[in-house]
Amino acid sequence: DTGVSQNPRHKITKRGQNVTFRCDPISEHNRLYWYRQTLGQGPEFLTYFQNEAQLEKSRLLSDRFSAERPKGSFSTLEIQRTEQGDSAMYLCASSFMTGSVASGANVLTFGAGSRLTVL
Amino acid sequence: AQSVTQPDIHITVSEGASLELRCNYSYGATPYLFWYVQSPGQGLQLLLKYFSGDTLVQGIKGFEAEFKRSQSSFNLRKPSVHWSDAAEYFCAATGNQFYFGTGTSLTVIP
Repeated sequence: DTGVSQNPRHKITKRGQNVTFRCDPISEHNRLYWYRQTLGQGPEFLTYFQNEAQLEKSRLLSDRFSAERPKGSFSTLEIQRTEQGDSAMYLCASSFMTGSVASGANVLTFGAGSRLTVL
Repeated sequence: AQSVTQPDIHITVSEGASLELRCNYSYGATPYLFWYVQSPGQGLQLLLKYFSGDTLVQGIKGFEAEFKRSQSSFNLRKPSVHWSDAAEYFCAATGNQFYFGTGTSLTVIP
């Protein structure tokens, strides 16, 4: 297993452009999380999936942000009409959880992140 | 509101000295607690976790942490710091969601 893979590692874009990040989780993991991390801050939760179902998306920063996990494997995070304030590291994590228990004993494995710079 | 607080933004220690990084949590009940480490350009790596049982937990790289319910704390310790320990350290807690503190940056001087 190669761990959680994120692509691209770095993305530089102009304001107003759309960007998409991809996350490939650990294959046997059923949960997938997206976080945003800005300089000097801890990771900020955005959304998560259990299999293909997006169970929490209220923390997505605006309607310009959307995430999908169509087949319950890889996921994409798209930011439309990027703004300079979107510049950050976008982290993906995955885990394996059974049942409907809240996060609880959930242990997240993180990818190396995708750094976005909006000019 | 549920939260995790790391009071120290930056800590500098000499190589070979002991280390303690502070973490306080605010939850309605005892959360599950974690420490992660992040090196430049790397993702977060799990150091250790506390779910229940023995309040002193051992992790990788010689780290340990002690859960103190009365103080709502989960401080990370290491008896002797190595230069390779220089990194950003994050405390995290889960209830319904996974919350991270703002991190403590560790500098190790020779």
